[in-house]
Amino acid sequence: AQKVTQAQTEISVVEKEDVTLDCVYETRDTTYYLFWYKQPPSGELVFLIRRNSFDEQNEISGRYSWNFQKSTSSFNFTITASQVVDSAVYFCALYLGGGGSNYKLTFGKGTLLTVNP
Amino acid sequence: AAGVIQSPRHLIKEKRETATLKCYPIPRHDTVYWYQQGPGQDPQFLISFYEKMQSDKGSIPDRFSAQQFSDYHSELNMSSLELGDSALYFCASSERAGGRDEQYFGPGTRLTVT
Repeated sequence: AQKVTQAQTEISVVEKEDVTLDCVYETRDTTYYLFWYKQPPSGELVFLIRRNSFDEQNEISGRYSWNFQKSTSSFNFTITASQVVDSAVYFCALYLGGGGSNYKLTFGKGTLLTVNP
Repeated sequence: AAGVIQSPRHLIKEKRETATLKCYPIPRHDTVYWYQQGPGQDPQFLISFYEKMQSDKGSIPDRFSAQQFSDYHSELNMSSLELGDSALYFCASSERAGGRDEQYFGPGTRLTVT
């Protein structure tokens, strides 16, 4: 069975600080996909990034960057120079694909990020 | 770009009533997923449909049923509502056949059972 752990329940930072959200996953499959979603106070789930298990290249998108390390089963998310608008709950999720009951997303419990002005 | 549409956005029902939630996937997406998110919880997978056939089933109560229609929209039917059914219900869609598995979520339907 697959599992996603986001050990940080809540993080509070001051604007312009860098912040890293941790995500550790468990799966026996060699092919899998990892996602990050943002859920602002308005409630919608916003897709941020998708990574497959064969691509360990880190990615940067503006102030966002992701560090995928298969050796430690981690897929961490860093926000550089945080802004108040980054305040949200961030979910890491795992997806196996490949049939059976594998097409669902398994979410971590989420990390509530609060960026204070 | 077109997004996933869900209706209604808010719904208030009483215990033992029924509710129907609707989902219109992104055009050309062949797969629809339903998730339930309780207060302060992570989204939990309920059920999915691929090309109008049920694909996977999660922790969906027997009181709930769903289907995907010929135009690919999906409906989640909930009967004998309980207080514990109060949650945010998300629909997501993806283009599974094209190998692009990103699930894009709709804005959700907030169901309150009183």
